[in-house]
Amino acid sequence: NAGVTQTPKFQVLKTGQSMTLQCAQDMNHNSMYWYRQDPGMGLRLIYYSASEGTTDKGEVPNGYNVSRLNKREFSLRLESAAPSQTSVYFCASSEGRINEQFFGPGTRLTVL
Amino acid sequence: GENVEQHPSTLSVQEGDSAVIKCTYSDSASNYFPWYKQELGKGPQLIIDIRSNVGEKKDQRIAVTLNKTAKHFSLHITETQPEDSAVYFCAASMAGFGNEKLTFGTGTRLTIIP
Repeated sequence: NAGVTQTPKFQVLKTGQSMTLQCAQDMNHNSMYWYRQDPGMGLRLIYYSASEGTTDKGEVPNGYNVSRLNKREFSLRLESAAPSQTSVYFCASSEGRINEQFFGPGTRLTVL
Repeated sequence: GENVEQHPSTLSVQEGDSAVIKCTYSDSASNYFPWYKQELGKGPQLIIDIRSNVGEKKDQRIAVTLNKTAKHFSLHITETQPEDSAVYFCAASMAGFGNEKLTFGTGTRLTIIP
């Protein structure tokens, strides 16, 4: 069991470029999440997917889009990257409500 | 929406002593309170959680207490060891209200001094 995997681990973008962060889980979980982590601000929810085929906005969705490709995969897309999106991005999954969330190792993104 | 405050932001403790991290939440409907530990370069990992029908929960050297009236909960680590050095996050959720989202505190960087 790999758990939750994320690619890439590191990425540097120029302002205005686009990219997709990939996330996959092999635990057959229904729910998946994308967070960003900034110094002094903890983890903030960007988008989540309660089940395959559904997505909902979290606390900080502006500038991002997501796709729940299937039960295993949940991708996060930055259409036009901005320096304010420099952050560490974590994907997580859980069986459902009131359940432990399992986090991936993170993607460190720098936007110049 | 829910707001979670966490204190202190940094904490240094002599090895073998106890550490206490405190969190307060704003929404009285919150009923699930997990604590996550994040080691350097890794994603957070659940270490203990408590639900609103319980006042205290222990797991070896780790305990969590919940005061629903005051809307605060705390993490207690006893007999601290070097491997306890990490960043700890509290969180709150109104699970069961059609809302399974976690709201996290801002984190506490715990350093164990050998």
